[in-house]
Amino acid sequence: RKEVEQDPGPFNVPEGATVAFNCTYSNSASQSFFWYRQDCRKEPKLLMSVYSSGNEDGRFTAQLNRASQYISLLIRDSKLSDSATYLCVVRSASKIIFGSGTRLSIRP
Amino acid sequence: DTEVTQTPKHLVMGMTNKKSLKCEQHMGHRAMYWYKQKAKKPPELMFVYSYEKLSINESVPSRFSPECPNSSLLNLHLHALQPEDSALYLCASSQEVGGYGYTFGSGTRLTVV
Repeated sequence: RKEVEQDPGPFNVPEGATVAFNCTYSNSASQSFFWYRQDCRKEPKLLMSVYSSGNEDGRFTAQLNRASQYISLLIRDSKLSDSATYLCVVRSASKIIFGSGTRLSIRP
Repeated sequence: DTEVTQTPKHLVMGMTNKKSLKCEQHMGHRAMYWYKQKAKKPPELMFVYSYEKLSINESVPSRFSPECPNSSLLNLHLHALQPEDSALYLCASSQEVGGYGYTFGSGTRLTVV
């Protein structure tokens, strides 16, 4: 079993739709969680950290479920510019692990 | 300055060449990282430097040789690479090892011919 698993997608949704994807992790001692966004042929960029209480940044909401060991990302009112690969990142001690990424494509 | 700067952006090298990738940050971060990313795959950790000392080497072949001359600079020396080493090489930094939020450089796209 991979340490961090994501549905690779692609998710293909119309503009304005709400889309959500999950990421599961295997190490119950994992300490920190992040969502990164990576555009084609670009570097990953931090989208948001994920806190135990859940957090929201504009149209983006991140949730952490420690009991079931997953994190989620919800995007509301999706825009064409949201098309990208979304990488789940989990930190355990000093080890940072990337999920394989979920590809999201927003269509007009 | 909230950036990690990598040079060159693109590099084509032969299998007998020696080249170096450079990474620079002026955010006062004390942890710096090298990642390798192949197409449609996530970044794979290669090396971690903490306070200018190598703290993690993820069993990377010796044809890749990292160097941290000071707290702002990180180099990756390349020698006798193979075509399968062609990839995007990403540098990242964070306040401390495993600290909140990495900042990535824009990467060096390496092609080995």
